[in-house]
Amino acid sequence: NAGVMQNPRHLVRRRGQEARLRCSPVKGHSHVYWYRQLPEEGLKFMVYLQKENIIDESGMPKERFSAEFPKEGPSILRIQQVVRGDSAAYFCASSSGTDYGYTFGSGTRLTVV
Amino acid sequence: QKEVEQDPGPLSVPEGAIVSLNCTYSNSAFQYFMWYRQYSRKGPELLMYTYSSGNKEDGRFTAQVDKSSKYISLFIRDSQPSDSATYLCAIPNQAGTALIFGKGTTLSVSS
Repeated sequence: NAGVMQNPRHLVRRRGQEARLRCSPVKGHSHVYWYRQLPEEGLKFMVYLQKENIIDESGMPKERFSAEFPKEGPSILRIQQVVRGDSAAYFCASSSGTDYGYTFGSGTRLTVV
Repeated sequence: QKEVEQDPGPLSVPEGAIVSLNCTYSNSAFQYFMWYRQYSRKGPELLMYTYSSGNKEDGRFTAQVDKSSKYISLFIRDSQPSDSATYLCAIPNQAGTALIFGKGTTLSVSS
């Protein structure tokens, strides 16, 4: 049973470009969470989605960031017009929704040059 | 005051030592408490999950919750070099829609 699959593992973007991060949850999990990890700052919640719905986006920056979890296919975290401060590790997690035991992916490391 | 606070360390111990990792939290309404382990360049993995107060043991690991002082601990007995990682405590937010993580304590166990 595959865990949470994130791709790409590493992503390099120039300032002003768009970054698309993909996350396929554990089979059977319909709850997806995105977190960002910056050195010295820890793991910060960004957004919680269920199929076709954003449940809580209180951790998402108001501009340039968006997330979706369509009926078919992976969840996508999209960052438009990237800036150097967006460089971080982005982790996706999934759960069945019955408990708080999230399963995390290995992350996408975004570097903005 | 931050919702979850954790001493980042680093913490260095010799193999076989007993390790104590701690977090404090601010909201007395919290009921669920989790410990995650994160190896370098990997995603966090769930280590222990406790509800309310008391102890929970799993092999060499014991999670302890003291709700009166809002203090949670993870004890590792007979520590091994393979335990070298960052340990993060986590608590669900009040809405139950996300986990709030401590900054993590980096542990190094030398052989």
